Amino acid sequence: DTAVSQTPKYLVTQMGNDKSIKCEQNLGHDTMYWYKQDSKKFLKIMFSYNNKELIINETVPNRFSPKSPDKAHLNLHINSLELGDSAVYFCASSQVVLAGTPSTDTQYFGPGTRLTVL
Amino acid sequence: GNSVTQMEGPVTLSEEAFLTINCTYTATGYPSLFWYVQYPGEGLQLLLKATKADDKGSNKGFEATYRKETTSFHLEKGSVQVSDSAVYFCALSDKWGAQKLVFGQGTRLTINP
Repeated sequence: DTAVSQTPKYLVTQMGNDKSIKCEQNLGHDTMYWYKQDSKKFLKIMFSYNNKELIINETVPNRFSPKSPDKAHLNLHINSLELGDSAVYFCASSQVVLAGTPSTDTQYFGPGTRLTVL
Repeated sequence: GNSVTQMEGPVTLSEEAFLTINCTYTATGYPSLFWYVQYPGEGLQLLLKATKADDKGSNKGFEATYRKETTSFHLEKGSVQVSDSAVYFCALSDKWGAQKLVFGQGTRLTINP
């Protein structure tokens, strides 16, 4: 059983196009995340949703819009793609136990989506 | 802000060698610390974690101890195998109620037979 799945695995597209990446988790977790990994393998958080509510929004261009239809899904829509958007995008999920306390629970990552913008 | 610094890679070792990958952090408060591993073509997997000072995380022969006095969380393994070849990421969580992971730059490890 796949815990965190992403589609598509590879995405090649032209500059200026709009594309979406889908993420689903079957772990029953409340919180989901999107991370971006650049060509040098550096990983940085983009967004986090808890029970469909946005709780982390790093300084990401507003061309990127996450959407969470339910707590098992967090999709990433990107408008007007640029060359610099080429990267591997990872979805992750975790169970945040108690608000107001440091969360120590493990984040489970999906296999990643390699986006190439030409 | 909070940050994680790992030793520069790539690191190349022979099988059965001793491994150390250094990791130091800067954080306010008391973060939790993690090592994640990324095998070629795959996503990240949690390798081990420690949630408070002096805790030791261990898994698959790897160990790391949370050292608050030196703000470090170095990864060690006594005898590496070819199958340990991967990219290793040190990370901390710095947000209460929602676990925002801050990653180091990653260290690529290659083990030769």
